[in-house]
Amino acid sequence: DTAVSQTPKYLVTQMGNDKSIKCEQNLGHDTMYWYKQDSKKFLKIMFSYNNKELIINETVPNRFSPKSPDKAHLNLHINSLELGDSAVYFCASSQVRGNLNTEAFFGQGTRLTVV
Amino acid sequence: KQEVTQIPAALSVPEGENLVLNCSFTDSAIYNLQWFRQDPGKGLTSLLLIQSSQREQTSGRLNASLDKSSGRSTLYIAASQPGDSATYLCAVPPSGTYKYIFGTGTRLKVLA
Repeated sequence: DTAVSQTPKYLVTQMGNDKSIKCEQNLGHDTMYWYKQDSKKFLKIMFSYNNKELIINETVPNRFSPKSPDKAHLNLHINSLELGDSAVYFCASSQVRGNLNTEAFFGQGTRLTVV
Repeated sequence: KQEVTQIPAALSVPEGENLVLNCSFTDSAIYNLQWFRQDPGKGLTSLLLIQSSQREQTSGRLNASLDKSSGRSTLYIAASQPGDSATYLCAVPPSGTYKYIFGTGTRLKVLA
């Protein structure tokens, strides 16, 4: 049973389109994240949510809008897609308890290609 | 600002060798340190998690150590196998934050 699942796995779309990526975790974690992996394979935080509340928005363009309908889901909607948005997007989750942050689990990634 | 560096960037070894991957971080105020493996075109698989109060963790042929005061962690892989070929990433969640800062990765190739 997959702990963190993302859909779709691949997404090819034209510039200017709007698209969404969905993420679900079945680990009971209270914190979820979106990361972007660029062409050089570097992973950078985009957003983090704790108990459905936005905690971190790491200078991401407002064309990117995350939505957390409940603690188990964190979706990413992207408006007016640009060529530079092409990357692999990873969803992750962990449990933050006081001074402890538990093991983080990552989804398999969504490879977004904007043409 | 936390920065995480991994050395070497790439490593190629013959099968059977023991090897050490290094991870350095600039701020010792961290919750824990986690090592991941990423195969080409795949997601991240968690290998080992070391809490900030621990000094090492072991899983099979893998052993990770943590020296918070010096800002270093090492991942030791014993008796390497071709199936160990992948990119290895370390990540730290700085204390008081809800994010993981990733290192630049070490691309490992084990030759049969």
